Amino acid sequence: KAGVTQTPRYLIKTRGQQVTLSCSPISGHRSVSWYQQTPGQGLQFLFEYFSETQRNKGNFPGRFSGRQFSNSRSEMNVSTLELGDSALYLCASSQGTSGTEQYFGPGTRLTVT
Amino acid sequence: SQQGEEDPQALSIQEGENATMNCSYKTSINNLQWYRQNSGRGLVHLILIRSNEREKHSGRLRVTLDTSKKSSSLLITASRAADTASYFCATLLSSNDYKLSFGAGTTVTVRA
Repeated sequence: KAGVTQTPRYLIKTRGQQVTLSCSPISGHRSVSWYQQTPGQGLQFLFEYFSETQRNKGNFPGRFSGRQFSNSRSEMNVSTLELGDSALYLCASSQGTSGTEQYFGPGTRLTVT
Repeated sequence: SQQGEEDPQALSIQEGENATMNCSYKTSINNLQWYRQNSGRGLVHLILIRSNEREKHSGRLRVTLDTSKKSSSLLITASRAADTASYFCATLLSSNDYKLSFGAGTTVTVRA
């Protein structure tokens, strides 16, 4: 099976712009989670989607949003980018049942200048 | 805030030696998972241990869980250069929880 794919892998944006990141889960996986990783805050949970519904949300401002499509692919959007949004954004997929492991993609490295 | 705290923050060992890292967490959990990350890439799942389990093995990995102390340990035996990575523990709080809470990680360097 193909693994989790994320596009783009690298992105440079300017403060105030918006950005959309994409994630394609492992075939058959219905849950997609997003995480932000920074040197200062470590790995922080953003949100999780299952069957196009958001089930969990982390403590991030409303500028961070996401959605999931009927084919389980997911996108996350960050509006009005700030310098502090520079991070590695990781997507993970799982079957969606409780207590299972998650499979991570390679991440999208976002740099905000 | 992060649920888990790893100790030590960094570890340097010789190839062939064992590496042990610990994870402490704050609240009751459903399960605890260990992940590996190489050089800022995606995370790779290593092992999952449920709250009613005390020890699990997978190849050269051994994980223990002590729920009374809210702590877990990961042992890598006979380490190799390829084990050089950051290792994270992550907890799932309940069976209805789908959010992994990660610790800060332990950076392991295996010297040839």
